[in-house]
Amino acid sequence: AQTVTQSQPEMSVQEAETVTLSCTYDTSESDYYLFWYKQPPSRQMILVIRQEAYKQQNATENRFSVNFQKAAKSFSLKISDSQLGDAAMYFCAQEGSNYQLIWGAGTKLIIKP
Amino acid sequence: GAVVSQHPSRVICKSGTSVKIECRSLDFQATTMFWYRQFPKQSLMLMATSNEGSKATYEQGVEKDKFLINHASLTLSTLTVTSAHPEDSSFYICSALGQGIDEQFFGPGTRLTVL
Repeated sequence: AQTVTQSQPEMSVQEAETVTLSCTYDTSESDYYLFWYKQPPSRQMILVIRQEAYKQQNATENRFSVNFQKAAKSFSLKISDSQLGDAAMYFCAQEGSNYQLIWGAGTKLIIKP
Repeated sequence: GAVVSQHPSRVICKSGTSVKIECRSLDFQATTMFWYRQFPKQSLMLMATSNEGSKATYEQGVEKDKFLINHASLTLSTLTVTSAHPEDSSFYICSALGQGIDEQFFGPGTRLTVL
């Protein structure tokens, strides 16, 4: 079975600093998508960044970047220059064979002013 | 990005009644819609996958007779919680996937409280 593991229930970072959220996954597929979603207190799921497995280059979206290690099945999210608005739950997800998303347990990110 | 709406955003009902939640894709045709349930401080749990014009596929442990899903058009899917009980109280989220689109778009969620 496909699984996604986020081992950090909570992380905190000083405003303007950099933080890395960890995610590992397990799949037998050769090509797949990986995602990081943000869920603020409003509970609206917001796509932060995505990575297609066959692309070796790590995805980047402004202050958000990933470290994708396919052989190690690792997909961490780096947030640079953390801002107060980044405070939220962050979920790592992998797309399954029927386009469903397999979710990690989530990491609560706290930004200290 | 594309917009997905859910209605109602909040609903309170009495035990034993049925509640319908609508999920609409506003600016694209959703060939597939997903329904999730999320308990406080937990991750999303996939309940079912619905494809337009066909029966929904339910995840193991989800009662299909209790959680009725209809995906009658390319822009609308509904989830009906039948004979609701307090343990059905939760946050329900839908997402929609369009043909040729590599991203699911999420609705804002519906908070169901069963008294």
